[in-house]
Amino acid sequence: DIEMTQSPSSLSASVGDRVTITCRASQTISRYLNWYQQKPGKAPNLLIYAASTLQSGVPSRFSGSGSGTDFTLTISSLQPEDFATYYCQQSFTALRTFGQGTKVEMK
Amino acid sequence: QVHLVESGGDLVRPGGSLRLSCEASGFSFSDHYMSWVRQAPGKGLEWLSYIYSTGSYRNYADSVKGRFTISRDNAKNSLYLQMNSLRAEDTAVYYCARAVSGEYGHYLDFWGHGTLVTVSS
Repeated sequence: DIEMTQSPSSLSASVGDRVTITCRASQTISRYLNWYQQKPGKAPNLLIYAASTLQSGVPSRFSGSGSGTDFTLTISSLQPEDFATYYCQQSFTALRTFGQGTKVEMK
Repeated sequence: QVHLVESGGDLVRPGGSLRLSCEASGFSFSDHYMSWVRQAPGKGLEWLSYIYSTGSYRNYADSVKGRFTISRDNAKNSLYLQMNSLRAEDTAVYYCARAVSGEYGHYLDFWGHGTLVTVSS
């Protein structure tokens, strides 16, 4: 199985900060990488698919990059509604796997 | 408007069984493959299973293979998860999600609100 490792596991940031979250795959997955946002008590919400394609309706301050084994999710200017947990997921193999999540907290 | 509504979550004893349902509306259910994902209390997301649009292929995470069975009824716009031999570690919120096929695999673009399964004696 492909293991997905996110870093950091949590971070503290302020409104307006630029935030970067990293996701590393245990083997190459091309661009088969998706990002989700989850707020407490809510279902996850798709942000980015195919490593860098923004899902319809998602603000442009979110962006994704990477291919192969290393990927990043960037929030260019953190907004109050962005405090949440973020997950990457690979869809390269039949056994899909999520990263362990990165919690973005208010500093 | 896409809606996915899970039901069937309950308190069940270890070794017991439960069947979850997910009723879909607002889109052509039979055109999409569907997935189940769960989240244990205070933990991250765990992908469990997916099923092709026709039901012809299914796949499972190792943690549930042989105990859980995913199925669908396209005539009823419904997805199911039959869970047998339940364990305490199966306690979680269970989400159904719609999958979309793209150039680089599938992604889950709509999710239900989840249904809670508690396994405890």
